[in-house]
Amino acid sequence: RKEVEQDPGPFNVPEGATVAFNCTYSNSASQSFFWYRQDCRKEPKLLMSVYSSGNEDGRFTAQLNRASQYISLLIRDSKLSDSATYLCVVKSTGGFKTIFGAGTRLFVKA
Amino acid sequence: GAVVSQHPSWVICKSGTSVKIECRSLDFQATTMFWYRQFPKQSLMLMATSNEGSKATYEQGVEKDKFLINHASLTLSTLTVTSAHPEDSSFYICSAIAGVYNEQFFGPGTRLTVL
Repeated sequence: RKEVEQDPGPFNVPEGATVAFNCTYSNSASQSFFWYRQDCRKEPKLLMSVYSSGNEDGRFTAQLNRASQYISLLIRDSKLSDSATYLCVVKSTGGFKTIFGAGTRLFVKA
Repeated sequence: GAVVSQHPSWVICKSGTSVKIECRSLDFQATTMFWYRQFPKQSLMLMATSNEGSKATYEQGVEKDKFLINHASLTLSTLTVTSAHPEDSSFYICSAIAGVYNEQFFGPGTRLTVL
């Protein structure tokens, strides 16, 4: 079983749609969780951290369920510019060992 | 956020040559940097953790004699791909930890093509 698993994708959605990504992790001792965005042939960029209480940044909402060991990302009112690969990232205790999910590709179409 | 640079951004070389990639933290000091490799349509795979002033820690399956890492200062880590072969062609990305929340910041990556 992979340490971090994500929805296989790709997701093809129309502009304005709401789309949700899920991610599960296997190490119950994991401490920090993030969603990164990666555009084609570019480096990953931090989209948002994920906190136990859930957090929202504009159209993006991230949630963490420690009991079930999953993380989610919700994108509302999708824009064309949201098309990218979204990476679920989990850090182990101590915060230095970082595990990346394989990523979920999102295509938003007009 | 913190800025991490990489040089070169892309390189094409002949099989058998060695290629050096530099990773710099521009506005902060990084005692630890990470080197990743990403093949097309795959996720980032951690190759090694680079520690300033000491030997790098390599992940299982990564040859330390082939991928030489030198972290000689608090702002610079280098990865040298020795005797590169076509199968080493990949996107190499470095990163460093910064800030009170230990956020990970990535360099722009280096695309290596070995002919």
